[in-house]
Amino acid sequence: SQKIEQNSEALNIQEGKTATLTCNYTNYSPAYLQWYRQDPGRGPVFLLLIRENEKEKRKERLKVTFDTTLKQSLFHITASQPADSATYLCALGDSSASKIIFGSGTRLSIRP
Amino acid sequence: DAGVTQSPTHLIKTRGQQVTLRCSPKSGHDTVSWYQQALGQGPQFIFQYYEEEERQRGNFPDRFSGHQFPNYSSELNVNALLLGDSALYLCASRRRTVNYGYTFGSGTRLTVV
Repeated sequence: SQKIEQNSEALNIQEGKTATLTCNYTNYSPAYLQWYRQDPGRGPVFLLLIRENEKEKRKERLKVTFDTTLKQSLFHITASQPADSATYLCALGDSSASKIIFGSGTRLSIRP
Repeated sequence: DAGVTQSPTHLIKTRGQQVTLRCSPKSGHDTVSWYQQALGQGPQFIFQYYEEEERQRGNFPDRFSGHQFPNYSSELNVNALLLGDSALYLCASRRRTVNYGYTFGSGTRLTVV
């Protein structure tokens, strides 16, 4: 069955450092991958989308890579700030009209 | 511009009862999906509605049903509630022809006692 795995442990990073989160998947051929941020008690907020034919996407301090051979995406936050502390979810879709399925998320804490 | 609106925000129900959750999508969006999120887990896909029809369904029993109205708003109904149905229920909308991320509501926290 389709499986999406994210860093199972919470990630604690010193402010100013680069945070790197991992998303691995099996038994799936996604057309695109998305990253969301979720704060406690709130719904996920869309951050970035990267398509299967794209290797890398950037948006301000965020960078996403997508390796369909390794079946892995890496999500980087550079110059991290305490306000970046949240749970980050990766989600995969197999067509523009399809549902997206989520990983379990990685909780990121940035300490001052 | 209002985003996705869900009601109610919190709900407590007794085992065996039925519940209806409501969602108004973001203006301009025509596709609505529902997700169930247990504490510490990622959202689990329940179903997706477009043009008032259920288009895709996740691995949820028939106790979970839904509806989409002509104005694109949607309802999620759960019958014969179980304790395990306690979760955050999220509604997400998008424009079907646009391939970017969903807009999520803040969810309805359902507690079954």
